[in-house]
Amino acid sequence: DIQMTQSPSSMSASIGDRVTITCRASENIDTYLNWYQQKPGKAPKLLIYATSSLQSGVPSRFSGSGSGTDFTLSISSLQPGDFATYFCQQSYVTPPTFGQGTKVEIK
Amino acid sequence: QVLLVESGGGVVQPGRSLRLSCTASGFTFSNYGMHWVRQTPGKGLEWLGVIWHDGTNKYYADSAKVRFTISRDNSKNTLYLQMNSLRVDDTAIYYCARHQSLGETTSFDSWGQGTLVTVSS
Repeated sequence: DIQMTQSPSSMSASIGDRVTITCRASENIDTYLNWYQQKPGKAPKLLIYATSSLQSGVPSRFSGSGSGTDFTLSISSLQPGDFATYFCQQSYVTPPTFGQGTKVEIK
Repeated sequence: QVLLVESGGGVVQPGRSLRLSCTASGFTFSNYGMHWVRQTPGKGLEWLGVIWHDGTNKYYADSAKVRFTISRDNSKNTLYLQMNSLRVDDTAIYYCARHQSLGETTSFDSWGQGTLVTVSS
């Protein structure tokens, strides 16, 4: 299975900060990379698919980039509703696999 | 809007069976592949398997291949996960998720709220 590793595991940030989360795949996954946001007690929500395509309804302050094995999720200006845990997921091969998550907390 | 509602979770003894359901509304269920994903604090999010829109094909994770069976009833807009010989390490929140396919890329575009399964004696 392809291993997905996120960094950092957690971080503290302030409203208005630019936040960047990294996801690394154990082998090449081209651009088959998705990002999800999960708030406590809720299901994950798809934010970005295919590395950089914004899911319908997701604010434009979210963006994604990368290819091959290294990917990033960026939030241009952190808003109160963005404090959550973020997961990457590869869809290059079956089984799809997820990163362990990055928790973004309020500084 | 798309709504997925899981049910059937609870406390079950090791070795017993449990069937989870996921009832869909707000979209044409029979047009979509559906997945089961579980989540634990220790192992994170773990994909269990997928069933095609018409039920003709199913694929499973190695961890689910022997003991778990995914099925669906499109006349009832319902997805199922039959879990047999449950173990303590099957304790998790179980989610159903809708398959999104755009070009060559796939993702899980809608998720249920999850149902907690606790395996304990």
